[in-house]
Amino acid sequence: GAGVSQSPSNKVTEKGKDVELRCDPISGHTALYWYRQSLGQGLEFLIYFQGNSAPDKSGLPSDRFSAERTGGSVSTLTIQRTQQEDSAVYLCASSSGQAHTEAFFGQGTRLTVV
Amino acid sequence: AQSVTQLDSHVSVSEGTPVLLRCNYSSSYSPSLFWYVQHPNKGLQLLLKYTSAATLVKGINGFEAEFKKSETSFHLTKPSAHMSDAAEYFCVVRPTGGGNKLTFGTGTQLKVEL
Repeated sequence: GAGVSQSPSNKVTEKGKDVELRCDPISGHTALYWYRQSLGQGLEFLIYFQGNSAPDKSGLPSDRFSAERTGGSVSTLTIQRTQQEDSAVYLCASSSGQAHTEAFFGQGTRLTVV
Repeated sequence: AQSVTQLDSHVSVSEGTPVLLRCNYSSSYSPSLFWYVQHPNKGLQLLLKYTSAATLVKGINGFEAEFKKSETSFHLTKPSAHMSDAAEYFCVVRPTGGGNKLTFGTGTQLKVEL
């Protein structure tokens, strides 16, 4: 596609429910990142996929968070048993994986847990 | 390990005056460095990048940044601020030889006054 696509753009969910956020990276990009941006905060790294390598999950805040990337393309970030502190904008980015190349960001999914 | 420090969380300038947003980095490997801009309720947009070629990098909208290895800095400048420059700016480091994980600074909010 022309850019990184994220869906939904907005999601309101009740506390305790599970949510799935989707990211379609730019075609051919081997690297995919998930970040979280809370109100007034910087970008918090969550997870990074690079090709067929094991993902870097070091940023996932708890075991309620998980992500997968199927077929090296689309990625889904799942949050189980959502809490109010999970409310944030979740950003996905992709890059070609080659040295010196930048990451391209999607518009984000704004998650509100009520 | 890598890290980025943006020295000012908020910067306020008058329209037509110079802009300086400061960034210092730490990286175990020769880094790539980026500046991204985020306008209110918009996605992240790449302003410019340093990739071990010229140390003075020119970006979009009249912005430029100079890589200074001796000072481990990558400050962002613009000779004359415009009202449309009001946004949040993020400095980002990515190690060339040690993986592709992007590390973001905490951001600098730029305010431009008449």
